Amino acid sequence: KAGVTQTPRYLIKTRGQQVTLSCSPISGHRSVSWYQQTPGQGLQFLFEYFSETQRNKGNFPGRFSGRQFSNSRSEMNVSTLELGDSALYLCASSLMGVTEAFFGQGTRLTVV
Amino acid sequence: TQLLEQSPQFLSIQEGENLTVYCNSSSVFSSLQWYRQEPGEGPVLLVTVVTGGEVKKLKRLTFQFGDARKDSSLHITAAQPGDTGLYLCAGGNFNKFYFGSGTKLNVKP
Repeated sequence: KAGVTQTPRYLIKTRGQQVTLSCSPISGHRSVSWYQQTPGQGLQFLFEYFSETQRNKGNFPGRFSGRQFSNSRSEMNVSTLELGDSALYLCASSLMGVTEAFFGQGTRLTVV
Repeated sequence: TQLLEQSPQFLSIQEGENLTVYCNSSSVFSSLQWYRQEPGEGPVLLVTVVTGGEVKKLKRLTFQFGDARKDSSLHITAAQPGDTGLYLCAGGNFNKFYFGSGTKLNVKP
């Protein structure tokens, strides 16, 4: 059974640009959650999608958005990038959302 | 405010020592998970505990779920440098999934 796939693994962007990250969950999993992880802040919850609907949202500005497609694949978008957006972005796949989650390897975003 | 509190935040020990990491909450969880994360990688699921009082063993790691399903502990026997990493507990509650802030473990050779 294939695991969670995140692309790209590494990304360097300039302030003001926008970026789109992709996540393919484990087959059959309907819930996809996104997290931002920085050294000082730990794992910060961004949002969760379940069957193409945003079910939960963390405390992030509107520059952070996401969506989920009918095949459960998900994308997250960050517009008008700031230096503070540099982080490891993690996607987690889960059968129902409140059961155990399986993570991808993450996308390391560096904003310069 | 974290729904799941982990302690200690940091732990630096010598190879061969034993250690225990705690995950506490005032809320009841239907299950709790433990993850280990290495730098630059995604967290890897170690175990899920479901039943109050449950004990699960994974080689030198012993996981326990509290009787009231509000807390959990992870005990490592004879720690090795390969155990170094960030240990996270997590649990689902009312349609949301919560993570603790983690315990950063460093095992020195």
